[in-house]
This record gives sequence, C-alpha cells and structure tokens, in this order.
Amino acid sequence: GENVEQHPSTLSVQEGDSAVIKCTYSDSASNYFPWYKQELGKRPQLIIDIRSNVGEKKDQRIAVTLNKTAKHFSLHITETQPEDSAVYFCAANFFGNEKLTFGTGTRLTIIP
Amino acid sequence: EAQVTQNPRYLITVTGKKLTVTCSQNMNHEYMSWYRQDPGLGLRQIYYSMNVEVTDKGDVPEGYKVSRKEKRNFPLILESPSPNQTSLYFCASSRGFSYEQYFGPGTRLTVT
Repeated sequence: GENVEQHPSTLSVQEGDSAVIKCTYSDSASNYFPWYKQELGKRPQLIIDIRSNVGEKKDQRIAVTLNKTAKHFSLHITETQPEDSAVYFCAANFFGNEKLTFGTGTRLTIIP
Repeated sequence: EAQVTQNPRYLITVTGKKLTVTCSQNMNHEYMSWYRQDPGLGLRQIYYSMNVEVTDKGDVPEGYKVSRKEKRNFPLILESPSPNQTSLYFCASSRGFSYEQYFGPGTRLTVT
C-alpha cells in the first residue's frame, strides 16, 4: 500500500547549523514530493516541492533532494533561524487512487 | 482573497450527536480533501473528492461521510461521533492531488 516514512520525529539544532529531514516512499510511480511547514497553532503550508524529473531544488535556505532509485527524498535547511522552529511534513503522491500521503512529521526546534 | 474556510473552528460535543463541519474554497479547485491530525500520526486523509459528485475514501474513512454537490463546498459529516474521533481536522483544496494543497484553518473537535 501507499506509505511515506519520515525521520527523525524530533530534531533539535543549534541556531545557524543545518537541519536534514528524510522521507522514504513505497511506490516507484510517485512523481510529486512536497514539504509542508506547520507552525504552532497554524495550518500546514507548502514550503517547497519537487517533481521526479529533477534531482534537487533550492529556494534560498531550503533545498530538497530526490533519489528515485532509492525512493527517498530529503529536506535541507541551512543557516537555521528561530523562525524555522515548526513541524515539517513530507508527502508523496500515489496514482493508484489519486492520493497525497503525508509522513508523520518532524518537530524541529532551533536552539538560540 | 484566495482561501479555504472551515466552520466551526472549535466544537465540543457528546457521543452520538450528529455534526457537520463545513469547508468552502473560492479558488475553483477541483480536488478537495479532509485530513485529521493526531499527535505522532501526522496528517491522515479521511476522504477526498476529484470533482463534483466524485468522492472516495482516504486512509481513515470509518465513521465519516462527505458530499460534493457544489465545486466550492465539501462538508464532513459525523453521523454518530465517538471519543476516538476527537482530533484536529483540516480541509484542503488544490488543482489536483499532485499540486499544492491549500489548507483551511482547522477544526478542533472534542467528543465526550
């Protein structure tokens, strides 16, 4: 069945250091991989996404890498800042039933 | 302003009392979903709709119903709520399952 595994579940990083969150997916046909950020008490919002025709995408301090062979993708945040503290969710699409399945989330805490 | 709205935002009810959570979007999106968010379990899809009059089960559909009579509205119905449906619920809309999901503000439901 469709499955997205996300690790770690919690991550603490010193301000200014980098953070990496990893996800694996089960269906080799998946071709859309978004990342959402959810601040405390707020709704999830898209921060970056990647499609399978590229291996890496960057947007300022945020980047996502995709390894289709291994069926995993990662979120990289560089030069972390206190406002990066949030829960991050990865997701992957599954064509069999037109679904977007989310990982279980990573609570990222930036230590000042 | 492009947005997804949900009502009510907070609801406390008793076991067995039917309730409806409304969801509306003004972006002319075809795809709409309901998710529930529980600690440690991430965002799990309850139901989704590809278009008007087209709905399908997500990962956790038991105890829920939906309808899609108009493109902009996608209400979630709990005909006989139980305590295990206590959760934070999000409605989302998008162009499709492989595009950015726009989430509503969330509905926190408590069933006693």
